[in-house]
Amino acid sequence: DTAVSQTPKYLVTQMGNDKSIKCEQNLGHDTMYWYKQDSKKFLKIMFSYNNKELIINETVPNRFSPKSPDKAHLNLHINSLELGDSAVYFCASSSGTVDSPLHFGNGTRLTVT
Amino acid sequence: GDSVTQMEGPVTLSEEAFLTINCTYTATGYPSLFWYVQYPGEGLQLLLKATKADDKGSNKGFEATYRKETTSFHLEKGSVQVSDSAVYFCALSDRATGGFKTIFGAGTRLFVKA
Repeated sequence: DTAVSQTPKYLVTQMGNDKSIKCEQNLGHDTMYWYKQDSKKFLKIMFSYNNKELIINETVPNRFSPKSPDKAHLNLHINSLELGDSAVYFCASSSGTVDSPLHFGNGTRLTVT
Repeated sequence: GDSVTQMEGPVTLSEEAFLTINCTYTATGYPSLFWYVQYPGEGLQLLLKATKADDKGSNKGFEATYRKETTSFHLEKGSVQVSDSAVYFCALSDRATGGFKTIFGAGTRLFVKA
């Protein structure tokens, strides 16, 4: 009965490849997010979707393309992977109000070699 | 723009010591404030929150008070345990174009020795 689940947990790939990370939430939330956590643990928001619509896009390279087929799913596709894309990517969801906390998945550790 | 600044770690304490992790923020609106905790290999979990000035959030012995006059939300615990070893993140949620955005501090790693 995991609330926010993302797959895969680990992803090792070579530069130039294309990869996807999937995320699903069963909390009934309207809003979902992707965050990137670098090696120093710094968390930065990448995208936010509300009811399948993109509402926040934080100057992320065009190689990153989120897709939300329905409000319970938010996937992240990355084209032409670069070394600097190595990080842990977290999916999160919330009810979308200013006082509602984020519920995080356990992260996908992406390593680009 | 909005930002969150928290004390650099790592913080190393002995079991039963008093913990303070400082957090200050800047915001254009009237944000809600949060502390999250991250254990190794896991995502962040909400520890506590406060949504208006002078509110005190508390959970599992941790406390933080929303101080608007000093724009601070310091985390405290009277007696830490080894199991409290983790990374702690201060965060704020504020209005952004199209919705709301949560911004995190850089995180403070806590080590508690037995």
